[in-house]
Amino acid sequence: EVQLVESGGGLVQPGGSLRLSCAASGFAFSSYWMHWVRQVPGEGLVWVSHINSDGSYTDYADSVKGRFIVSRDSAKKTLYLQMNSLRAKDTAVYYCARDIGFGSADNAFDIWGQGTVVTVSS
Amino acid sequence: DIQMTQSPSSVSASVGDRVTITCRASEGISSWLAWYQQKPGKAPKLLIYAASSLQSGVPSRFSGSGSGTDFTLTISSLQPEDFATYYCQQANSFPITFGQGTRLEIK
Repeated sequence: EVQLVESGGGLVQPGGSLRLSCAASGFAFSSYWMHWVRQVPGEGLVWVSHINSDGSYTDYADSVKGRFIVSRDSAKKTLYLQMNSLRAKDTAVYYCARDIGFGSADNAFDIWGQGTVVTVSS
Repeated sequence: DIQMTQSPSSVSASVGDRVTITCRASEGISSWLAWYQQKPGKAPKLLIYAASSLQSGVPSRFSGSGSGTDFTLTISSLQPEDFATYYCQQANSFPITFGQGTRLEIK
């Protein structure tokens, strides 16, 4: 079964750090671009970051640039999001998602994880 | 950034109705548009990509059309499981942006 499973969410104080993980199974992980999308409960979807298939290229939304780092480990078939200098506005459900393009960035997301909740509060 | 505007923000309809949701981009995005369905507490589900391509496993009552700046998602005959929130998303340029969502409710 093609699947993405996130972990690592939780409660963190403002200014703190958290690392999210997204374990992939059932598909050739190293052939796909991957993305992170977040959603404040009751609000819309916001793209956060993406990484190309071999991990050599990354990009970020302005709101997280310089604070978040996306990476991947092909051997472990796992995507990561290192979140530093966290702010209350980063509180959201974080989803990892697979790009529909095989070996390319078509920028539509065909497989999503179940989401992991990040709460930034003192 | 490209702004995506959906209308209406919410719509009430009955089972069997035909429903159309529109999405307008602030600049041309060719056919780089996707549609998603999201139910409460669940991750979004891809319905349509490249403006009109039906994702595998999605019922044929869903269809998408448009190019440039104006797009539509049509559900030809609403089923009970279709009541959800729908989002459009432009895939033309970064940052990727989503519409604000259209909530489809039971009349």
